[in-house]
Amino acid sequence: GAGVSQSPSNKVTEKGKDVELRCDPISGHTALYWYRQSLGQGLEFLIYFQGNSAPDKSGLPSDRFSAERTGGSVSTLTIQRTQQEDSAVYLCASSRPLGTSADTQYFGPGTRLTVL
Amino acid sequence: KQEVTQIPAALSVPEGENLVLNCSFTDSAIYNLQWFRQDPGKGLTSLLLIQSSQREQTSGRLNASLDKSSGRSTLYIAASQPGDSATYLCAVYGGSYIPTFGRGTSLIVHP
Repeated sequence: GAGVSQSPSNKVTEKGKDVELRCDPISGHTALYWYRQSLGQGLEFLIYFQGNSAPDKSGLPSDRFSAERTGGSVSTLTIQRTQQEDSAVYLCASSRPLGTSADTQYFGPGTRLTVL
Repeated sequence: KQEVTQIPAALSVPEGENLVLNCSFTDSAIYNLQWFRQDPGKGLTSLLLIQSSQREQTSGRLNASLDKSSGRSTLYIAASQPGDSATYLCAVYGGSYIPTFGRGTSLIVHP
């Protein structure tokens, strides 16, 4: 595909359930980001993957959040024991970092998560 | 910690007006600054990326400028059109690949 894809586009779950969100980056992009966008808030960085390096997890809000990236391509964001405050749009982006400066990020359409 | 502020938060203008959207940041030690557009229910689309060594970038009716010393960037939209209606986000890259985003300016251009 030409762009970043995310699935599902919408997810409604009950409080306490686990959810998995998927991101397929643009082929060849070594960098992958997860963000969270809550109503009325800006984009909140969650986690950053770059090639085979250890991911930067500094933005994960709690240990209920985790993410992995298999084979340097597809990434999954997992939220365990979901809470109502986890309701948000989760956005994924990929890019090709150039040296010490970041290249343009390409965003997926997002997954809208609603926790009842 | 980098903080990014966008002013105004919302803007409604008639078609044809020239617009200026503002972005300010607290830490001037940045690598890049990027402007994005977000349509309702969609992801972000990159508009312009300004590297730290540059002062401005232009694409069509859009022009973005960067003044690192004062911690400011502006996005200029010429001859606005209804199709320009969207939220415009500014993102600042500091000493890592992780950007800090502003909360955006919601723009409505009415016919």
